[in-house]
Amino acid sequence: LAKTTQPISMDSYEGQEVNITCSHNNIATNDYITWYQQFPSQGPRFIIQGYKTKVTNEVASLFIPADRKSSTLSLPRVSLSDTAVYYCLVGYQTGANNLFFGTGTRLTVIP
Amino acid sequence: DAGVTQSPTHLIKTRGQQVTLRCSPKSGHDTVSWYQQALGQGPQFIFQYYEEEERQRGNFPDRFSGHQFPNYSSELNVNALLLGDSALYLCASSLAREGLVVYFGPGTRLTVL
Repeated sequence: LAKTTQPISMDSYEGQEVNITCSHNNIATNDYITWYQQFPSQGPRFIIQGYKTKVTNEVASLFIPADRKSSTLSLPRVSLSDTAVYYCLVGYQTGANNLFFGTGTRLTVIP
Repeated sequence: DAGVTQSPTHLIKTRGQQVTLRCSPKSGHDTVSWYQQALGQGPQFIFQYYEEEERQRGNFPDRFSGHQFPNYSSELNVNALLLGDSALYLCASSLAREGLVVYFGPGTRLTVL
C-alpha cells in the first residue's frame, strides 16, 4: 500500500475554497486515490475517489496530475460544518484492502 | 436502507476481561473490516472478513479475534483487555469489488479501567 503524506492541520475562513494536497510518490499503476472525512466520535465518511485527471461530485473535487504522485482535494466555499479530519488513501480498488489512514489533515473552519 | 450499525455504543470494562463487539454491514455488502482508533490518531486496520473467513489481518495480537456470520454480520472479540485497548472500534463494510469505498459505522467506544 502506497504511503501518503498530508499537512497535519489547516485553518480556513468560512466561504473560502480549501485545497488539501496529499503526496503519494510510490503510487502503483493499479492504485486509486480515495479521500475520507471524519467528524469527532464518528466513523470516517467516503468523500471522493479518482484515478487520474479530475473528478467532481456534489461535495468536492479531486485533482490528480499526470504523474499521479500527488492529489488535491478541493472543498468549495467551506462552512463551519466542514471542520473535520480529512484522510487521503491510496490502494487497489478491488479485493482485500488494508486501508491505511495515517493521521490525516485537521481542517478548522473559522467564522 | 440501513447503513452500518454497531453495538453497543459505549462499553466499560476492567483489565483482564473479555469483550465482544457487534456489527451489521450495510445492506448488500459482503465484506466487513474492523479498525481501532485511539484518540488523535487515524483508524488502524485490525482485520477483514469475507465469506466468513479472515482475509487480511493488521498488526494486532491474537487477543483480537473475529467472526463473520452467514448473514455477513460480524463480531470482534478482545481477550485479556489492557488499558491500551481503550479506543473507538469501527466497523466498515464494503463490496469485495469496491475495496476502497467502505462505509463505516458509528463505532463502539471501549474504555478499559
